[in-house]
Amino acid sequence: SQQGEEDPQALSIQEGENATMNCSYKTSINNLQWYRQNSGRGLVHLILIRSNEREKHSGRLRVTLDTSKKSSSLLITASRAADTASYFCATDGVDNFNKFYFGSGTKLNVKP
Amino acid sequence: DGGITQSPKYLFRKEGQNVTLSCEQNLNHDAMYWYRQDPGQGLRLIYYSQIVNDFQKGDIAEGYSVSREKKESFPLTVTSAQKNPTAFYLCASREQGVGNQPQHFGDGTRLSIL
Repeated sequence: SQQGEEDPQALSIQEGENATMNCSYKTSINNLQWYRQNSGRGLVHLILIRSNEREKHSGRLRVTLDTSKKSSSLLITASRAADTASYFCATDGVDNFNKFYFGSGTKLNVKP
Repeated sequence: DGGITQSPKYLFRKEGQNVTLSCEQNLNHDAMYWYRQDPGQGLRLIYYSQIVNDFQKGDIAEGYSVSREKKESFPLTVTSAQKNPTAFYLCASREQGVGNQPQHFGDGTRLSIL
């Protein structure tokens, strides 16, 4: 299976702290995406990083990708209570970029 | 506003009954997807469609069926053959043919057994 795995499964921090979550995957990819899911809702796309990129920023989000280690990390800086959600990484495959494989997610709780 | 609409939000199934979950998008996307999410887990792909009148099985297609008669619609039927249907079902769409594009998700349908 190509499915990614996030680490940690759960993370609890205080507002204002940074949150780092990691994703590992098994096979070669074209790109890796991070999504956010609020409880009982659909997923919202946060950021996409291509396989030839090493780092990408979007607002308070910073994503890194290490294809040699088949891993990615998502950093949320200066976290807010509203960042409380589950975060998933999703990868496609070099042989089928129309299919996506999701990890099991990191549940982030930001305490006010 | 463009987006994906899933209905109903909650659905209950009786033993031996087939139920159909609706997914409609007005984003003019060619590709559409159905995922199943169990508590505390990630998404698993049930079926996906890249074009009207064509669809492919995902990783857990057994007990499910789909149709893609219109570009904007991709309904999922949970058949009586699916013995453990209780889950959160998510529909997504994606623009194709323009490189790496993200998926857009609906707000899901929660299916339970009566």
